[in-house]
Amino acid sequence: DGGITQSPKYLFRKEGQNVTLSCEQNLNHDAMYWYRQDPGQGLRLIYYSQIVNDFQKGDIAEGYSVSREKKESFPLTVTSAQKNPTAFYLCASSRGAGKSYNEQFFGPGTRLTVL
Amino acid sequence: GQNIDQPTEMTATEGAIVQINCTYQTSGFNGLFWYQQHAGEAPTFLSYNVLDGLEEKGRFSSFLSRSKGYSYLLLKELQMKDSASYLCARGDNYGQNFVFGPGTRLSVLP
Repeated sequence: DGGITQSPKYLFRKEGQNVTLSCEQNLNHDAMYWYRQDPGQGLRLIYYSQIVNDFQKGDIAEGYSVSREKKESFPLTVTSAQKNPTAFYLCASSRGAGKSYNEQFFGPGTRLTVL
Repeated sequence: GQNIDQPTEMTATEGAIVQINCTYQTSGFNGLFWYQQHAGEAPTFLSYNVLDGLEEKGRFSSFLSRSKGYSYLLLKELQMKDSASYLCARGDNYGQNFVFGPGTRLSVLP
């Protein structure tokens, strides 16, 4: 089955700790994205990557870091510098810039709670 | 949401029809997408328009006017399970190539 997986579904962390959220896709998509969603709010873009070994900051990149060493994987690290990290984190992928039928497919999300 | 506008909330009655509007900036446009998101879940893809006109998929239809920078999602024969947020998103030919609007929270009442 093709799709996007995120793990874990729920994550708890102590204040001051870094944590890495996993995102894997087997859709052969070039582009991958990380979004943050707070209760009752829309999606805010953290980072995106259009190709392996390249990524760009989104609207709210401060306190986050990413890597794109493989096409299938785009892990997100929430660092201790992120002042308010408790949120729902969504990973998505798509065929890539300028392509037709370029809808984004989403993983199930990771709900991060900082204690 | 970078110049994508949608109403914040809408309410409709079970069995009725509702239209959710979306306006967007037209520069670099490469397709208009609609997603449904139930509370606590990931968004799921509903429809895609790249040419002007109406695309119909069962109870859901989506319309696009590229010259006006305008789209709408039409939901017919509303069911309680249609209560969700509906996100309009614009595809771009450059940059992050995908921008989401703030979403419209639809409540379907019995």
